[in-house]
Amino acid sequence: KAGVTQTPRYLIKTRGQQVTLSCSPISGHRSVSWYQQTPGQGLQFLFEYFSETQRNKGNFPGRFSGRQFSNSRSEMNVSTLELGDSALYLCASSLAGPMNTEAFFGQGTRLTVV
Amino acid sequence: AQSVTQLDSQVPVFEEAPVELRCNYSSSVSVYLFWYVQYPNQGLQLLLKYLSGSTLVESINGFEAEFNKSQTSFHLRKPSVHISDTAEYFCAVSVKNRDDKIIFGKGTRLHILP
Repeated sequence: KAGVTQTPRYLIKTRGQQVTLSCSPISGHRSVSWYQQTPGQGLQFLFEYFSETQRNKGNFPGRFSGRQFSNSRSEMNVSTLELGDSALYLCASSLAGPMNTEAFFGQGTRLTVV
Repeated sequence: AQSVTQLDSQVPVFEEAPVELRCNYSSSVSVYLFWYVQYPNQGLQLLLKYLSGSTLVESINGFEAEFNKSQTSFHLRKPSVHISDTAEYFCAVSVKNRDDKIIFGKGTRLHILP
């Protein structure tokens, strides 16, 4: 079956702009989580969506937001971009039930803010 | 709340030497434990997991990890590393039988020295 698909793979934006990243989970997976990865901070949890509802949230400012659609596809949005938002953004999907035993990751979107 | 600690941010080791990447977790309930690997410019991939049963789990490429409940540890070991093992390794935990996110450690970068 198809894996987790993230689009676009690479993105360059200017400070102050906003950006939307997309994630299509594995078919049947209802949970989608987003992570920010930087060399200095490592892998940091942004938020998790399950059945179109945000179920968990990390410690990021309100400029970072997301949503999930009825087909489980998810988008995350970052407004008023800052240089420090440059990072690899990873999406992961999982079954998210009592058998939530594994997360499957996409290849990520590399965002560069200039 | 659950947490994962990877004490070493970087581990240099000579090729064909043994390696241990340390992982400790904090949880008051039963957990599942994972090791994920991230090769350069890629997303994370599951390396191995502990769900139940034997406390020693193995991957197909020679890594193994042992669940130690009394020490709340899940250290990753390999008796002889190869240059192809160069990657970042993430330990992760999720709560058994609960719809909740998977929590990741900050990662350990494994450097293989020729």
